[in-house]
Amino acid sequence: AQTVTQSQPEMSVQEAETVTLSCTYDTSESDYYLFWYKQPPSRQMILVIRQEAYKQQNATENRFSVNFQKAAKSFSLKISDSQLGDAAMYFCAYRSYDNYGQNFVFGPGTRLSVLP
Amino acid sequence: NAGVTQTPKFQVLKTGQSMTLQCAQDMNHNSMYWYRQDPGMGLRLIYYSASEGTTDKGEVPNGYNVSRLNKREFSLRLESAAPSQTSVYFCASSEADSVLTIYEQYFGPGTRLTVT
Repeated sequence: AQTVTQSQPEMSVQEAETVTLSCTYDTSESDYYLFWYKQPPSRQMILVIRQEAYKQQNATENRFSVNFQKAAKSFSLKISDSQLGDAAMYFCAYRSYDNYGQNFVFGPGTRLSVLP
Repeated sequence: NAGVTQTPKFQVLKTGQSMTLQCAQDMNHNSMYWYRQDPGMGLRLIYYSASEGTTDKGEVPNGYNVSRLNKREFSLRLESAAPSQTSVYFCASSEADSVLTIYEQYFGPGTRLTVT
């Protein structure tokens, strides 16, 4: 079974600075997707960024980018120019093509605080 | 579009009581999911419905039942609530996966359930 690990339960960053959240996963599959979701205090889960495993180029969405290292099974999220609104829980998630609908695995989350 | 809606937002039950959590989506998605979120454990899949008329067990189905009432609605029922079912419950929906792509999931705002 696949597992997703986020080794940093909590992180903090100064406003306007850059922070990197780590995520590692374990799988024997070669084709899969990885996601980062953000959960602010409102509890709403919001998709931040996604990465297809077959793509070597790292995904970027405005201030959010990933460092995808397939061989190392690592998928870190970099937030540049951090803003107060970035404060939230961040979840890394893995999804494979097998067992449609079932195999969507989340990590335990990293709570990010942004300091003014 | 309201996206994914869930009712109620909060609920307190006594051990042994039953209740149904409601979920509806207006994005014409085929697939719907129920997760529970517990501290330090990320989201865990309870049940999913890949399409109207089908439901399947996820990682933690014991103590729950589901009904895919139609394409829009997917309900989760607790027949005899237990304190171990105290959690935050999320409903999600997505387009049906294909062999070419896996789609991200859109989440509802969650239901905080306490069983005493």
